[in-house]
Amino acid sequence: DSGVTQTPKHLITATGQRVTLRCSPRSGDLSVYWYQQSLDQGLQFLIHYYNGEERAKGNILERFSAQQFPDLHSELNLSSLELGDSALYFCASGVTGQVEDTQYFGPGTRLTVL
Amino acid sequence: GESVGLHLPTLSVQEGDNSIINCAYSNSASDYFIWYKQESGKGPQFIIDIRSNMDKRQGQRVTVLLNKTVKHLSLQIAATQPGDSAVYFCAETEGTGFQKLVFGTGTRLLVSP
Repeated sequence: DSGVTQTPKHLITATGQRVTLRCSPRSGDLSVYWYQQSLDQGLQFLIHYYNGEERAKGNILERFSAQQFPDLHSELNLSSLELGDSALYFCASGVTGQVEDTQYFGPGTRLTVL
Repeated sequence: GESVGLHLPTLSVQEGDNSIINCAYSNSASDYFIWYKQESGKGPQFIIDIRSNMDKRQGQRVTVLLNKTVKHLSLQIAATQPGDSAVYFCAETEGTGFQKLVFGTGTRLLVSP
């Protein structure tokens, strides 16, 4: 158990809908990272927050957004969902967010868009 | 369990053998490299890391080798055990600023008893 929690574990929804994925980092970690893992794209970095502020962006679609709250939990919002958004979504947390920060991954949320 | 990728390269070994998993990275500016292990139905788990100013680093039963000339990274697992069966990913990031990992496609390791 990494100490990172993600909810829900599974989510099934329809195209065009909007969902929110939640992540609670390990106690004391200030950084939260979001990743998408799909069969054809592998593990893709989406976005990184440190202590409430966005620090780095990867291949995140405009339909997706994220935020980190004062209590350091983070939410990833996915809107206007398409079939291709079906994937595993992981968050990871770290202490510093700097180059040599070790990321601890949560168990993931499996999103299925029908 | 959940499938991470249907078309991953696969390495099959016998229990007790040594395993070598390879990774080619693309960014010459990458300065820090990490190996992750992902078991079925779980998130990736940190195994070992290496900075670009090193060419070898050892951990418990694992060794990472870095060849910057040909942009190649390898993970060696000694005395492989059935519990080592998983998908292994290398990841790279540039050496400045906030971490932004780029993951490789992964290799599936299957260990037979």
